[in-house]
Amino acid sequence: QSALTQPRSVSGSPGQSVTISCTGTNSDVGRYNFVSWYQQYPNKAPKLMIYDVNKRSSGVPDRFSGSKSGDTASLTISGLQADDEAVYYCCSYAGSFTFVVFGGGTRLTVL
Amino acid sequence: QVQLQESGPGLVKPSETLSLTCTVSGGSVKNYYWNWIRQPPGKGLEWIGYISDTGTNYNPSLKSRVSISIDTSNHHFSLRLNSVTAADTAIYYCARESCSSSSCSPWYFDLWGRGTLVSVSS
Repeated sequence: QSALTQPRSVSGSPGQSVTISCTGTNSDVGRYNFVSWYQQYPNKAPKLMIYDVNKRSSGVPDRFSGSKSGDTASLTISGLQADDEAVYYCCSYAGSFTFVVFGGGTRLTVL
Repeated sequence: QVQLQESGPGLVKPSETLSLTCTVSGGSVKNYYWNWIRQPPGKGLEWIGYISDTGTNYNPSLKSRVSISIDTSNHHFSLRLNSVTAADTAIYYCARESCSSSSCSPWYFDLWGRGTLVSVSS
C-alpha cells in the first residue's frame, strides 16, 4: 500500500480538464511544499512534470498545473490531448528519515 | 548530455543478494544525489535510497537489507539488496536529483535510467 493515496483511474475527453488528487498526511504533503508529479508511459521511465507543488519542469506545457490544500495535492490537466494518456504519480518529501513517498499512481484515459 | 544506464543480473534466487550498477555517462558523479527507485510489475514507485557526497540514506522499510555505494573514478554507483524474496521483483531505476542552472533539489528526480527488470525466482 502506497503512502500517498491517488484514485486508480480518471478519464476525460479531448479538450476537457481532469484533476488527479493525491492525499497524504501532515507528515508529508501537509507539512512540506515539496510535492511533485511524474508522468509515466508504458515501459518508460517516469518524467518529472511538476515540482514545488505548482512549478512546471522545463518543456512541460502550461496545460499542466499543480496545487495543494492541506494534506491533499492535485494535478490538473486542461485541454486534454491523446498523448496525455499515461499513469501519473505524485510524490512528496516526508522529512529526512523517510525522505520521499510516492502515490500508487493514477491511470489517465483520454476517451 | 548526461545519461544513466542500469546493469546487472535479471534473475536472482531467493535469499541471495541483488546487485545492480548504474553507469553515468556524459557527466560527473560528484556533487549530486544519486538514487535507486523500484517499481514492481504493474505497481507504483518505491524510493530505495540515495548516495551523495555527504553519505547515504535508505528507505526505512529496506534499510536493514540495502547498501548503496559509489565509484567516482569509474563514474558509477551501485545497489546491493540482500536476502531477496519474490516481493523484491521489480524494475529498478537509477535516478539523479533534479538540478537547474542555480540549484538542485534532492527530493525530485529529473534524470532517470531506462530501468532494468530483476526477477527473484528459484
